[in-house]
Amino acid sequence: AQSVAQPEDQVNVAEGNPLTVKCTYSVSGNPYLFWYVQYPNRGLQFLLKYITGDNLVKGSYGFEAEFNKSQTSFHLKKPSALVSDSALYFCAVREGTGGFKTIFGAGTRLFVKA
Amino acid sequence: GAGVSQSPSNKVTEKGKDVELRCDPISGHTALYWYRQRLGQGLEFLIYFQGNSAPDKSGLPSDRFSAERTGESVSTLTIQRTQQEDSAVYLCASSLDRENTEAFFGQGTRLTVV
Repeated sequence: AQSVAQPEDQVNVAEGNPLTVKCTYSVSGNPYLFWYVQYPNRGLQFLLKYITGDNLVKGSYGFEAEFNKSQTSFHLKKPSALVSDSALYFCAVREGTGGFKTIFGAGTRLFVKA
Repeated sequence: GAGVSQSPSNKVTEKGKDVELRCDPISGHTALYWYRQRLGQGLEFLIYFQGNSAPDKSGLPSDRFSAERTGESVSTLTIQRTQQEDSAVYLCASSLDRENTEAFFGQGTRLTVV
């Protein structure tokens, strides 16, 4: 069965600095990996996904993520954080041949200070 | 519709009562998911429907929980004999009938059991 871990409950970063939100996963086959963001009082929004191809995936709002098969990681990154990036971030994994069941991590709260 | 619609947006119910939550997916999305998000926590997988295949019910926490879907449209999540521990936001999502596609989430139903 697939699983996903987000080891940090919270990440604090100063505006303008680079940010990283960590995610590791476990699947029995090829993974499909996703990042979603949840702003206060709003629904979850899709940020980016890795299906196949280039290990560096670019998504919405300047975010990108790097797929590392050997480390089974899919860390979310942004070169320069904005205060408006403060939100709850979820990593999700779906087994490539297991249908549509998608498992989410516990979430990481990102605080960006001005 | 333009997005995933859930109703009601808020529901307060007395302990022991049954509740029914509704989800209208995006038209043409054959995959539909239900998740539970307790306050300050991650998304807990409950169930997903994929087209006409048998649903994956592996995440339902007890036999008090059930869900149905009419064809490829509306889904209802029913909780019988509600308990205070059922208090949470229940999120519905839908996606196209391809494993590599992201899910689109509704705003959720906030259930409070008093």
